[in-house]
Amino acid sequence: SQQGEEDPQALSIQEGENATMNCSYKTSINNLQWYRQNSGRGFVHLILIRSNEREKHSGRLRVTLDTSKKSSSLLITASRAADTASYFCATDAGNTPLVFGKGTRLSVIA
Amino acid sequence: DAGITQSPRHKVTETGTPVTLRCHQTENHRYMYWYRQDPGHGLRLIHYSYGVKDTDKGEVSDGYSVSRSKTEDFLLTLESATSSQTSVYFCAISPGTERGEQYFGPGTRLTVT
Repeated sequence: SQQGEEDPQALSIQEGENATMNCSYKTSINNLQWYRQNSGRGFVHLILIRSNEREKHSGRLRVTLDTSKKSSSLLITASRAADTASYFCATDAGNTPLVFGKGTRLSVIA
Repeated sequence: DAGITQSPRHKVTETGTPVTLRCHQTENHRYMYWYRQDPGHGLRLIHYSYGVKDTDKGEVSDGYSVSRSKTEDFLLTLESATSSQTSVYFCAISPGTERGEQYFGPGTRLTVT
């Protein structure tokens, strides 16, 4: 069963705008990861944030983690058409391999 | 990109036939995984391996078996394919723990008619 659940399921924005997607999960975690999938192709690891971290940056990506609310957000700043993809969170609950959510489909319109 | 290949990339087969999908890595990573991706279900773990001959079940293992006789190869077998196994199958690898960063193959689209 899914541990993480992304919200919204789909998001459409204009190029240059910021995109925010959220992930909520149910049990305590050791780390949370975000992945991108372009057009049904393979998944690409974006960023990993550990349970003792609150915020992490990588280029135009900013990830926050609120363990008290069991939620994480992924912010993509100044979005580009090439950011069009599906974004998945994956959680490490400590006793099983990663569990992936169902993803958010992001469309960036030029 | 991590050196992961999957074969075949596309396959159409009939109900009741056996099917084997291959995942091959050149990274010498310890952990290997098989997932399936279906609309509305996201990515679900079928089986994973934590070493040669060491495998364990995932969330949706029924109807699937795996084997890993060499570090670089992880095989997924559908003993008797059913239409419900029509899906896109992804292989992944990770160097550290089974809960660390994963690198994915390009996927295999399997259609069972």
